[in-house]
Amino acid sequence: KAGVTQTPRYLIKTRGQQVTLSCSPISGHRSVSWYQQTPGQGLQFLFEYFSETQRNKGNFPGRFSGRQFSNSRSEMNVSTLELGDSALYLCASSTGTAGNTIYFGEGSWLTVV
Amino acid sequence: GESVGLHLPTLSVQEGDNSIINCAYSNSASDYFIWYKQESGKGPQFIIDIRSNMDKRQGQRVTVLLNKTVKHLSLQIAATQPGDSAVYFCAERMARGGATNKLIFGTGTLLAVQP
Repeated sequence: KAGVTQTPRYLIKTRGQQVTLSCSPISGHRSVSWYQQTPGQGLQFLFEYFSETQRNKGNFPGRFSGRQFSNSRSEMNVSTLELGDSALYLCASSTGTAGNTIYFGEGSWLTVV
Repeated sequence: GESVGLHLPTLSVQEGDNSIINCAYSNSASDYFIWYKQESGKGPQFIIDIRSNMDKRQGQRVTVLLNKTVKHLSLQIAATQPGDSAVYFCAERMARGGATNKLIFGTGTLLAVQP
């Protein structure tokens, strides 16, 4: 069974640009969550989608957005990139039911220059 | 790959010894706790989890202990091996009737296993 797949793995963007990251959850999983990991702030929750609906949202500015498709695949978008957005962006998937195990992908490394 | 969490508490142990990694969680309403292992350049890997109605759970070479009175979680690794070297994170999920997968992560502990 394939794990959580994130693309691209590495990318470099210029300040002011936008970026879209993609996540394919484990087959059968309907919940996809996104996290940002930085040395200074650690792992922080961005948002969670379940059955194409945003179910929970973290404390990030509106420049960070996401969506989920009918096949449970998810994308997150960051507009007007800032240097501080440089981070490892992690996607996690689960069945979305109570007591489910949450599995992470390998992440997308974003560098903003 | 790059590393994250450059200024982490570090636990250094000898190969073959037992390791104990501790974590204090923040919310008494949290109902589910997880330990993850993160190696350099990789995403967090699930190790073991525990529900709030339990105080101990064992896996293969790992044991998680939960003390709700003092909001403390620990991960014990038996016979630590060089492959166990990584950053270990605890995470809590705040109870919302199961209708959330929002996790709050601890700062992480770097486990360094000396051969």
